[in-house]
Amino acid sequence: QTVVTQEPSFSVFPGGTVTITCDLSSGSVSTSYYPSWYQQTPGQAPRTLIYNTNIRSSGVPARFSGSILGNKAALTITGAQADDESDYYCVLYMGSGISVFGGGTKLTVL
Amino acid sequence: EVQLVETGGGLIQPGGSLRLSCAASGFAVGSNYMSWVRQAPGKGLEWVSVIYSGGDTYYADSVKGRFLISRDISKNTLFLQVTNLRAEDTAVYYCARDQVDTGSPWPWYHYMDVWGKGTTVTVSS
Repeated sequence: QTVVTQEPSFSVFPGGTVTITCDLSSGSVSTSYYPSWYQQTPGQAPRTLIYNTNIRSSGVPARFSGSILGNKAALTITGAQADDESDYYCVLYMGSGISVFGGGTKLTVL
Repeated sequence: EVQLVETGGGLIQPGGSLRLSCAASGFAVGSNYMSWVRQAPGKGLEWVSVIYSGGDTYYADSVKGRFLISRDISKNTLFLQVTNLRAEDTAVYYCARDQVDTGSPWPWYHYMDVWGKGTTVTVSS
């Protein structure tokens, strides 16, 4: 069974930088998994931030960026703002039509 | 405006069935890939199923054989028939429109780009 792992939680000061990673139990994450990232605040529907590793969805601020760091997918927020306090989820595309969500990372802006 | 509105959730006994609907506006369901994603109370998001514009369907292992994704092009509506429900199926069910990368290997990479607000399914006796 494929397991996609994220840090359960992170804290960042306003203006700071935070990198959330997305790991794969069965090996390295590469662009071949087309990582995407979603933001969700409590009680709300998810919002698409990043797709295909590093492409920002329409209207997403430039402080959000996606990349591959080592053998993981990564979401970096540069210059965090108070309203970035949310849950963040990565998704890896496994092929054969199947996508798998990571467990999510709860980001607190202190 | 592109919009998705889910309906059909409710309280259902274990072993029961429901049909969830997702009415789309501003685009054609039949011309897009469409997904269902769910979120159990206090838990993370879980991808459930996708239907391709050509009609191919795919499911997470956790629901394969119990859930059926379909669409009615004339009503511009996506459906998820959920059967043999278990307590662990209790969740908010979101539908989403997918975008597709036709340059990727088949089956093409797709990601969710527009989301509905969800409908709640509670499985309990």
